[in-house]
Amino acid sequence: EAGVTQFPSHSVIEKGQTVTLRCDPISGHDNLYWYRRVMGKEIKFLLHFVKESKQDESGMPNNRFLAERTGGTYSTLKVQPAELEDSGVYFCASSPRQGSGNTIYFGEGSWLTVV
Amino acid sequence: GENVEQHPSTLSVQEGDSAVIKCTYSDSASNYFPWYKQELGKGPQLIIDIRSNVGEKKDQRIAVTLNKTAKHFSLHITETQPEDSAVYFCAALHSGGGADGLTFGKGTHLIIQP
Repeated sequence: EAGVTQFPSHSVIEKGQTVTLRCDPISGHDNLYWYRRVMGKEIKFLLHFVKESKQDESGMPNNRFLAERTGGTYSTLKVQPAELEDSGVYFCASSPRQGSGNTIYFGEGSWLTVV
Repeated sequence: GENVEQHPSTLSVQEGDSAVIKCTYSDSASNYFPWYKQELGKGPQLIIDIRSNVGEKKDQRIAVTLNKTAKHFSLHITETQPEDSAVYFCAALHSGGGADGLTFGKGTHLIIQP
């Protein structure tokens, strides 16, 4: 069974440009999460989808970040316009329907560098 | 909100010795505590987890203990091997609470000396 997959694995963009990260959760997982780790800091929660609905977006840093999960399958996270402090690794994670034990599986991350 | 503290930030042990990583949490409502291992260039991989109705859980060379009263939990790795070298993260979650995301510690860089 395929795990959580993320694309691109690495991205280098200039300040002010736009980047869109994609995540494909494990098949059948209703819960999809975005996290990020900026240099030297801990991994921080950004938001949580249950199917196509945003359940909790309390971790989104500002309105330059937009996450979508149309159709409840894959998700995208767009950063527009990107700033230097957005550099870091963005992790996507998924878990089965709530009540199934909360085991959360992470992808390998999208490493973003804003120059 | 929840706050998770993790110590030490770096841990170096001789191959074959044991390693212990400790975490404390602040929210007494947290009830799920996973541990993740992250190797260079890869994403966090779940290695063991424990729920608040259990005090200890073991899986081969890895064990986790939970003290709800003191609000701390620990990861124990016995008979360490070179492939155990990685960054380890603890996390806490209040499953069923208002916030849905894991709160992570800052990570421990475990180095196994041959």
